[in-house]
Amino acid sequence: KNEVEQSPQNLTAQEGEFITINCSYSVGISALHWLQQHPGGGIVSLFMLSSGKKKHGRLIATINIQEKHSSLHITASHPRDSAVYICAVGGGADGLTFGKGTHLIIQP
Amino acid sequence: GAVVSQHPSWVICKSGTSVKIECRSLDFQATTMFWYRQFPKQSLMLMATSNEGSKATYEQGVEKDKFLINHASLTLSTLTVTSAHPEDSSFYICSARRISTSGTDTQYFGPGTRLTVL
Repeated sequence: KNEVEQSPQNLTAQEGEFITINCSYSVGISALHWLQQHPGGGIVSLFMLSSGKKKHGRLIATINIQEKHSSLHITASHPRDSAVYICAVGGGADGLTFGKGTHLIIQP
Repeated sequence: GAVVSQHPSWVICKSGTSVKIECRSLDFQATTMFWYRQFPKQSLMLMATSNEGSKATYEQGVEKDKFLINHASLTLSTLTVTSAHPEDSSFYICSARRISTSGTDTQYFGPGTRLTVL
């Protein structure tokens, strides 16, 4: 069973700061997901990665398959980015295994 | 983008009653749907994999007789919590697997259902 570790668990930053959230996993995977969960619980899928790097707006996700590590970056952070960011691995015919999430607060 | 709905979004019920939660893929067909739950301050955990037209596959520790899953069509899976008890209070969320024409294979999440058992 894959173990997914995220760091940091909690992160408070000022508006405009560059944010990095890390994720490592123990077993080789076919895909890694970055998800965003807001206080009401709803989940939004941000990225699905199997290699390299993806960018969407101010969000950038990278993955290093050899090192079993992925990072999620937020540039020019804004208070509306405040949420829980979750790393998950797996997919296809298998369900996902989730990290515990990173609670991000961006202060104005 | 692909849309998955869940109904109800929240439900409060008395101990001993059964609750049905629906998960629908609105604009694509999903042969596989997944059910997850999240207890307060914990991570999401896979409960079961629901395959259209066949029996669901349950994760270790999840009682199949308590959490009944039916995936009768390519756009609908239901989770019934039978004889619910306070310890079943949780956030239940489904996802639907979509394989695009280009072969991209991903999961789309429903908005979740918050169950409170009194």
